[in-house]
Amino acid sequence: DGGITQSPKYLFRKEGQNVTLSCEQNLNHDAMYWYRQDPGQGLRLIYYSQIVNDFQKGDIAEGYSVSREKKESFPLTVTSAQKNPTAFYLCASSIFLNQPQHFGDGTRLSIL
Amino acid sequence: AQTVTQSQPEMSVQEAETVTLSCTYDTSESDYYLFWYKQPPSRQMILVIRQEAYKQQNATENRFSVNFQKAAKSFSLKISDSQLGDAAMYFCASIFEANAGGTSYGKLTFGQGTILTVHP
Repeated sequence: DGGITQSPKYLFRKEGQNVTLSCEQNLNHDAMYWYRQDPGQGLRLIYYSQIVNDFQKGDIAEGYSVSREKKESFPLTVTSAQKNPTAFYLCASSIFLNQPQHFGDGTRLSIL
Repeated sequence: AQTVTQSQPEMSVQEAETVTLSCTYDTSESDYYLFWYKQPPSRQMILVIRQEAYKQQNATENRFSVNFQKAAKSFSLKISDSQLGDAAMYFCASIFEANAGGTSYGKLTFGQGTILTVHP
């Protein structure tokens, strides 16, 4: 079945450590996105990519970095510069921009 | 700024009854997309229904339907014959056109969410 796979489901970060969240899709979608969700809140856009080797900052990109070397993959790195990383992170994809987005199951990141 | 607002933090409904979740938005665009997403306790985001702004007919998906009032910038979700499995957080969202670095893209903007409880 086609879908979006995020891993790991739970991730813990030590102070000063960079961690990478994985997002893989086999839907042949061009566009991919990363969102952050804080408890009881909606989603906020971190980064998006509409094509391989291209990505753009969203509303809250500071302290995060991404890469898009393959169409299927859009990993998110939470750097030590992100001072409040504890949140639920959702990856999404769409056929192309402006189309409905399909979401992965998310990764919960916590600080040790 | 283009915004999506859900004014009901929580709603409840009896099983088999009907409930309506409210959503308003603000945009100067004439063409855009509107969505309702469901997020159950598993935290997965599930697309419930979508509406293109240029279409006058309200979208329907089985027990889910919308009341789209473009002039009033209102996009409510009606759930008929509510089931226990409908209990979740519901997000209203819209794709408005935005610009970043000279590139136009569709930005998915979410409302704050409404927690729906279904009582047996």
